[in-house]
Amino acid sequence: DAGVTQSPTHLIKTRGQQVTLRCSPKSGHDTVSWYQQALGQGPQFIFQYYEEEERQRGNFPDRFSGHQFPNYSSELNVNALLLGDSALYLCASRLGPSLRTETFGSGTRLTVV
Amino acid sequence: GDSVTQMEGPVTLSEEAFLTINCTYTATGYPSLFWYVQYPGEGLQLLLKATKADDKGSNKGFEATYRKETTSFHLEKGSVQVSDSAVYFCALTGQRNDYKLSFGAGTTVTVRA
Repeated sequence: DAGVTQSPTHLIKTRGQQVTLRCSPKSGHDTVSWYQQALGQGPQFIFQYYEEEERQRGNFPDRFSGHQFPNYSSELNVNALLLGDSALYLCASRLGPSLRTETFGSGTRLTVV
Repeated sequence: GDSVTQMEGPVTLSEEAFLTINCTYTATGYPSLFWYVQYPGEGLQLLLKATKADDKGSNKGFEATYRKETTSFHLEKGSVQVSDSAVYFCALTGQRNDYKLSFGAGTTVTVRA
């Protein structure tokens, strides 16, 4: 049973560019959340998707946007990249938005130069 | 808003030593509390959880008790191993419609043989 899978594992982008990160939830899960983990810090919640809609959003600018597809997979898009966007981006999935336990993927390491 | 404060690291221990990582929280009502572990180069793994006051979560020799009177959820292990070297995160989810995880900054634990 595959867990949460994220792609790519690493990427390097230039300041001002746009990036798309992808996530496939664990089998049987229908809710996806995205977190940003800066170096040496705890993860910060970006947003959660359920039924192809953004259900909850953290304190992130509109440059961060997302999408959920009918097969429950999700994308995180970041526009106009800043150096400060360099971080590990974690995707987590759960069955239903109210279930308290999330399963995390291994993350995508984004470096903005 | 909800927040978690955990003991700053790094923590360095010898094998078979006793480990305690302090965690306190600020939240309205009755949050659910979690400990996650992150091994080098990997995503987050749920270590244990507690969903109501006085609950004790336990897993792999680790324990934590949900103390509402002191708003704490300290992690303990009686005899650590080298394989316990990792970053440990305390986290909470709020009540009702607030389903995001709010994390502490993490505590790096290194166990030496």
